[in-house]
Amino acid sequence: KQEVTQIPAALSVPEGENLVLNCSFTDSAIYNLQWFRQDPGKGLTSLLLIQSSQREQTSGRLNASLDKSSGRSTLYIAASQPGDSATYLCAGVYGGATNKLIFGTGTLLAVQP
Amino acid sequence: GAVVSQHPSWVICKSGTSVKIECRSLDFQATTMFWYRQFPKQSLMLMATSNEGSKATYEQGVEKDKFLINHASLTLSTLTVTSAHPEDSSFYICSGGGAYEQYFGPGTRLTVT
Repeated sequence: KQEVTQIPAALSVPEGENLVLNCSFTDSAIYNLQWFRQDPGKGLTSLLLIQSSQREQTSGRLNASLDKSSGRSTLYIAASQPGDSATYLCAGVYGGATNKLIFGTGTLLAVQP
Repeated sequence: GAVVSQHPSWVICKSGTSVKIECRSLDFQATTMFWYRQFPKQSLMLMATSNEGSKATYEQGVEKDKFLINHASLTLSTLTVTSAHPEDSSFYICSGGGAYEQYFGPGTRLTVT
């Protein structure tokens, strides 16, 4: 069964701190790994997508890594800001062209000013 | 990125009635779309894969007769919640895309009273 787990479930940090969110997946036959942000009551905002042939992707203060052999991905947020407060979801993309996503359990991040 | 819209953005209905949710790809064609459900403080769960011109594929535990999916064109998929009950109250999100990335709609919040 394809499962995606995220640790921690919730995280509170002071503004300016660097932080790492963890994502693990049971099925290594992953096509892509995607990180999303979700604000309360809102839809999803795609942050980073890592293809299976890649090891990391960077966008601004965000860096995501992928290690298929260990079944893990991390999202690194540098110099966190209160505006980063949201739920972060990782999703394993399976099925090649059909792009079936299996979502993780999410990490609720609160950045304290 | 490509744009996916959903309509309505929220709906309140009485128990026993049916509700239709539309998912449209505005600037691309999607032979496959996905429907997800998200309960409060939980992650997204894939409900079904909507295939243009053919029957939808439902995930285990999702009642196909209760959640009717129609994908009549390359830009429109609809999800109809039939005989809705309060336990069907949830946030429903669709996605569409290609081999590289999925694009998500803003979601529809369904409340069944």
